[in-house]
Amino acid sequence: NAGVMQNPRHLVRRRGQEARLRCSPMKGHSHVYWYRQLPEEGLKFMVYLQKENIIDESGMPKERFSAEFPKEGPSILRIQQVVRGDSAAYFCASSPDSLGYTFGSGTRLTVV
Amino acid sequence: QQQVKQSPQSLIVQKGGISIINCAYENTAFDYFPWYQQFPGKGPALLIAIRPDVSEKKEGRFTISFNKSAKQFSLHIMDSQPGDSATYFCAAIANQFYFGTGTSLTVIP
Repeated sequence: NAGVMQNPRHLVRRRGQEARLRCSPMKGHSHVYWYRQLPEEGLKFMVYLQKENIIDESGMPKERFSAEFPKEGPSILRIQQVVRGDSAAYFCASSPDSLGYTFGSGTRLTVV
Repeated sequence: QQQVKQSPQSLIVQKGGISIINCAYENTAFDYFPWYQQFPGKGPALLIAIRPDVSEKKEGRFTISFNKSAKQFSLHIMDSQPGDSATYFCAAIANQFYFGTGTSLTVIP
């Protein structure tokens, strides 16, 4: 079992570009969660998805951010027109139910 | 609003000592309380977890103490080792995970 796979591990984008972060959940896990972690801060919930459905996006900024978890393929967190304040580590977690999170190693986004 | 309050923000302990990290919550709907350990550059990893019908759970050197009436729970690391140096997050679950703000633990040799 390969665990939760996130890629890329590091992503550098210029202001105004788009960032696409990918997350492949563990085999058999149908629940995917995205979190953002800023330096010296905790994990902030962004969005909870199941296959083809957004269950809870209460933590997602209203603009520029979107997430999907298609029937086939990884979950994608998309940030349009990135700004310096988007620089953070973005973690994906998956679970077979609403408990038992397993986290990926994260994508560190740097906006220059 | 921070659903789970965690303290201290940072902690320095001598090797062999006891590390204690505390968390408090208000929402009585929470029914599962995990602790996560995160090393630099890595994702958080589940360390130990407890349900509210149990007052204590021990796994090796790690113990969770749970006080349901006070709505508090804590992580105790016995015989702390330099390899335990990491950031620890408590969490509480009611349909969604709510994380504390983390405690950076440094164990001095």
